[in-house]
Parts: sequence; structure tokens; C-alpha cells
Amino acid sequence: SAVISQKPSRDICQRGTSLTIQCQVDSQVTMMFWYRQQPGQSLTLIATANQGSEATYESGFVIDKFPISRPNLTFSTLTVSNMSPEDSSIYLCSVAPGYFGPGTRLTVL
Amino acid sequence: TQLLEQSPQFLSIQEGENLTVYCNSSSVFSSLQWYRQEPGEGPVLLVTVVTGGEVKKLKRLTFQFGDARKDSSLHITAAQPGDTGLYLCAGVGGTYKYIFGTGTRLKVLA
Repeated sequence: SAVISQKPSRDICQRGTSLTIQCQVDSQVTMMFWYRQQPGQSLTLIATANQGSEATYESGFVIDKFPISRPNLTFSTLTVSNMSPEDSSIYLCSVAPGYFGPGTRLTVL
Repeated sequence: TQLLEQSPQFLSIQEGENLTVYCNSSSVFSSLQWYRQEPGEGPVLLVTVVTGGEVKKLKRLTFQFGDARKDSSLHITAAQPGDTGLYLCAGVGGTYKYIFGTGTRLKVLA
């Protein structure tokens, strides 16, 4: 199994600012995934992050809005840029086969 | 676009009742997973089913994968308040790409 931690656990941000979310895994993994869970909704995959290459984004998500870093096999960051209230969600990182971090609850005012 | 529809969307039942949650798609998946998520936490993996027609049991929970690997069901026997949560199915395609279902929010009343 994998233990995943995320920082921060929650934050309240002002419109137009950016927030970087960190994800740390207790073992080396090839692929890490970032998901968004809007209030009361299911999970939507934002992107897949592989170490040493650019992230692969899903339809509706772009690198300028959600830049991702993957500097090594245990760590990744997701930045939510130029935030608006519509970005208020829980952001989760994940590794196969089905391990999730506790999530970062973001509220944008 | 692959979609996974879950039904019912909401379910409120009394302790001791049985229930079934359905997860349906028009797409074929290599495997399907079920998760439970509680408020303030990430989803927790309950089971992975791989073979068409496969049935897995986890205490009072019974999971079934459809013969064509397009649908699945989760049956809970004698539900307890501790079963309360958001239940999510997730179809797995290639390279561990998960497509999550629309979710079923279950509340079990004592």
C-alpha cells in the first residue's frame, strides 16, 4: 500500500491569486494523478504526472491554469492559477492502484 | 467520452435494511473499483473486480462485475450507521486511467 500526504489540508484564497498544493508519497511511483472534486460531486481527473516528462492533461484542463511539477518519484505539486470562485473544490492526488491522499479543500472568495 | 452512471444518487435507509447500488456504462473496462469516501477524507478503495461475472464479498458488502465488464453492483446487507458515506465506482482503462462514477450518497439511520 502507499501512504499519501497533502499540504495544505485546506485554504481560503482571494480571487486572482495562485495556490500550490503538495503531494508526498511514502514510496517511489511512476505515475501520480491529480483529481478535482467539486462540492457534492464525483472526482474528475485533471492530469497525469510522470517523473521526467510533462504532465498529460485531460480535456477541459490546461497547463497554464493547472501547472504541475514532478521533480522526483515521491513528490508532485499542482498549482491552481489565477483562481476564481469556480475553482473552489477538493483537490486530490492519487497513485495506482487506487490510493488517494486526504485532499486539499480550497475555497476561493 | 466514457461515462459511469450510478444509481441511486441518494439513499437514506434505516439500520438493518439491505440496499444495492448500481454502476452502469456503455464502455468496457479492464477492471472496476469501488470506493467509499467520508467527509474531509480521500476515497478509500474497497475492492477491485477484474473478470466479467466476478463476485467479491467483503463482510456485509457484495460486489459484482457484469459479464460484459460494463457495469457493476454493490450490495450491502444489514446496513449500519458506519456504512454512511459517498460510494464511488471507478472504471479503469489503460495505464491506470480511472473514470469515476457519479456517486451514491448513502445515509444509514440508527
